[in-house]
Amino acid sequence: QVQLVESGGGLVKPGGSLRLSCAASGFTFTGSYMSWVRQVPGKGLEWISYITGSGRTISYADSVKGRFTISRDNAKSSLYLQMNNLRADDTAVYYCAGGLGWPLDYWGQGTLVTVSS
Amino acid sequence: DIQMTQSPSSLSASVGDRVTITCRASQAIDNYLAWYQQKPGKVPKLLIYGASTLQPRVPSRFSGSGSGTDFTLTISILQPDDVATYFCQTYNSGPRTFGQGTKVEIK
Repeated sequence: QVQLVESGGGLVKPGGSLRLSCAASGFTFTGSYMSWVRQVPGKGLEWISYITGSGRTISYADSVKGRFTISRDNAKSSLYLQMNNLRADDTAVYYCAGGLGWPLDYWGQGTLVTVSS
Repeated sequence: DIQMTQSPSSLSASVGDRVTITCRASQAIDNYLAWYQQKPGKVPKLLIYGASTLQPRVPSRFSGSGSGTDFTLTISILQPDDVATYFCQTYNSGPRTFGQGTKVEIK
């Protein structure tokens, strides 16, 4: 069955960096559009980035543009999110999600990122 | 960027009631609109895409409609299992913005 497993979350100080990973299985990862979506506990969903199957097209929300970088390794069926210059308002659960195009068919369980001094 | 506005932000209804949630886009998005259900403590689940197409295994009491800027999600006969927060999302172009969510509770 489809599985998306995120890792790499944790506690980081403001201005610090983290790299999130998402291991995919059970579907054709190479052809899938993949996204990162975050959610402050108890609040709404915020889409932050997506990447097409080939990696040729990438898009970011304004809130993370210039600080976050999405990438993928199709040979490893893995998605990544490099997060730099982290701020307190980046604190959230980060979900890996995707599908064959849009919208988001598959979701991981999420990984919590806490930005605090 | 396209803004997605859902209403109401929360509602309380009785089992068996008909429930309607609306989602309005700040500009036309054709039918590039999805609805997700997030039950308490769970991961979001795709319910509807293309504004009106149900995902497999989604109960038929759920339906979606609309095109352009105005969309609705309807639960025809509310069940206790439908307690959740519902989000719309555009995937037309640009940022894939979510609505702020509508929390559905049982009265």
